[in-house]
Amino acid sequence: DTGVSQNPRHKITKRGQNVTFRCDPISEHNRLYWYRQTLGQGPEFLTYFQNEAQLEKSRLLSDRFSAERPKGSFSTLEIQRTEQGDSAMYLCASSSGIMDYGYTFGSGTRLTVV
Amino acid sequence: DQQVKQNSPSLSVQEGRISILNCDYTNSMFDYFLWYKKYPAEGPTFLISISSIKDKNEDGRFTVFLNKSAKHLSLHIVPSQPGDSAVYFCAASVETSGSRLTFGEGTQLTVNP
Repeated sequence: DTGVSQNPRHKITKRGQNVTFRCDPISEHNRLYWYRQTLGQGPEFLTYFQNEAQLEKSRLLSDRFSAERPKGSFSTLEIQRTEQGDSAMYLCASSSGIMDYGYTFGSGTRLTVV
Repeated sequence: DQQVKQNSPSLSVQEGRISILNCDYTNSMFDYFLWYKKYPAEGPTFLISISSIKDKNEDGRFTVFLNKSAKHLSLHIVPSQPGDSAVYFCAASVETSGSRLTFGEGTQLTVNP
């Protein structure tokens, strides 16, 4: 297990198209998080899963965004009808819940909406 | 509402000297604090954390100090090395919630040889 894996690394899409990103967390971690980062800002929380249950969603997560974590393993984040303002780095992180070890982030998916 | 703030967008230090990165927070419910380092085109990497019941935590060249009354924390790196050049984020959490980390805006550290 080499850490948190995110695919694709880069995605360019036309405005109005739907996109889906995948995150494979560290296998022993039961908690999975999605964040979004724009230039010059820190990551912003989007949503959080414990096992397969989605326990919290940010108000940033409009109804065009949906996330799933079937069977508590990998997760997908889908954005429908993309807008130029959706252009950002989408980061996935996983955690065992022990704060001393922090959260492990993936390398992210860079989305560009043209 | 920016609950975690890093007021210095950038910091430049000489190799071998101390780097001090600062972070302020406003939410008194935060009880766990973390520092992350981020290189371009990579995700943030966990560095060090501190619980609100402590005022100092040390790991090798990295030490985090927490001043709860001032709602302020700082990361000290000594001695600084060129490989430490990166963006540093502080983050805070309400541990019992087990959920979100709230991040600051980041500070770009440059360590000059």
